[in-house]
Amino acid sequence: AQSVTQLGSHVSVSEGALVLLRCNYSSSVPPYLFWYVQYPNQGLQLLLKYTSAATLVKGINGFEAEFKKSETSFHLTKPSAHMSDAAEYFCAVSINDMRFGAGTRLTVKP
Amino acid sequence: EAGVAQSPRYKIIEKRQSVAFWCNPISGHATLYWYQQILGQGPKLLIQFQNNGVVDDSQLPKDRFSAERLKGVDSTLKIQPAKLEDSAVYLCASSPGTLREKLFFGSGTQLSVL
Repeated sequence: AQSVTQLGSHVSVSEGALVLLRCNYSSSVPPYLFWYVQYPNQGLQLLLKYTSAATLVKGINGFEAEFKKSETSFHLTKPSAHMSDAAEYFCAVSINDMRFGAGTRLTVKP
Repeated sequence: EAGVAQSPRYKIIEKRQSVAFWCNPISGHATLYWYQQILGQGPKLLIQFQNNGVVDDSQLPKDRFSAERLKGVDSTLKIQPAKLEDSAVYLCASSPGTLREKLFFGSGTQLSVL
């Protein structure tokens, strides 16, 4: 079965610094990959998705992710963190159904 | 467009009691998911419906959990009897039907088992 592993349960960056949230997937067939964000007391929202088109995917709020088949990775990046980016981020893989990683909590320091 | 509706928003029960959650997906969405999200963890898939048929229930604890989606629209998830470890947020999500599509999530039901 497919799965994702998110490296680092908690990431802390300063405002204006680079954000890098790591995700590695396991799948026997080409996967569809997603990043979701969950703000406090809110539901999950889609940030971006990879569905076998361009390997560099741009999402909302300045986030992007690059699909690297050789590394089985789909890391999420943002060049400059903003205070409003503080949230829980989940990587997900979809083959027959949608499976989520354990999540990474992003803290942004002023 | 109305989103995914879930009720109740919060539920507190004692262990060994029964509880039911309700979900109404976005109109026209063929696929419906129930996830369990324990505090500090990612959502864990419990069951996936395609219209009113079950696609995947391999992670559903069938000795105590049951779910149905009558007429391929709204769905109920039941726990009977509840255990302390069932304390979690139960999320319902729907999608138009293809694996490429994102999921639309409801606000969830927060269950506390005492």
